[in-house]
Amino acid sequence: GAVVSQHPSRVICKSGTSVKIECRSLDFQATTMFWYRQFPKQSLMLMATSNEGSKATYEQGVEKDKFLINHASLTLSTLTVTSAHPEDSSFYICSASPSGGGDTQYFGPGTRLTVL
Amino acid sequence: QQQVKQSPQSLIVQKGGISIINCAYENTAFDYFPWYQQFPGKGPALLIAIRPDVSEKKEGRFTISFNKSAKQFSLHIMDSQPGDSATYFCAASSSSGAGGTSYGKLTFGQGTILTVHP
Repeated sequence: GAVVSQHPSRVICKSGTSVKIECRSLDFQATTMFWYRQFPKQSLMLMATSNEGSKATYEQGVEKDKFLINHASLTLSTLTVTSAHPEDSSFYICSASPSGGGDTQYFGPGTRLTVL
Repeated sequence: QQQVKQSPQSLIVQKGGISIINCAYENTAFDYFPWYQQFPGKGPALLIAIRPDVSEKKEGRFTISFNKSAKQFSLHIMDSQPGDSATYFCAASSSSGAGGTSYGKLTFGQGTILTVHP
């Protein structure tokens, strides 16, 4: 149980295009989902907290107009990187907390974004 | 106050040995302390977690030791195997959202790259 999927697993795009990443909780409902980015050999950096049916809460320094987050249902959150640039290339990982399940976060497998 | 400091940065252990990774925190509002294992190119996987009401928790070869007064917690991997070679992250969160942190928001340590030699 507690499986989180992400799609796509990797994406290569041209500079200036937008990319959408999906995060799904497969066997549980998640009121809250989190989006992280991770650079090589570094820790996870929280980008934003996504609550179903409400606006996401962004961490300091994360551009909300560049990283659009939508959490339309209890099993799906999406991250759209708008007008992507090479510096946005990174490993993006989502996590989900089961509704009523307290603090536990289950992570997705990650999405490798490469912007040319 | 939000930081979780993790050490060592890297660790090399022989097969069958004990791997020990340490973490320290400042925020006394933290009350949930998970450990995650991450393989290259994969997302972190929850290994084991502890709350401050116990000083130790064991699951198979993995043990968390927790020292509330010192604000430290550690992961012990017994009988380490080459398949345990991965990056390990400690983390902490507050279930109440107190102490300046948001409910459920994990603060991660810097990570430890564990290599277990055959």
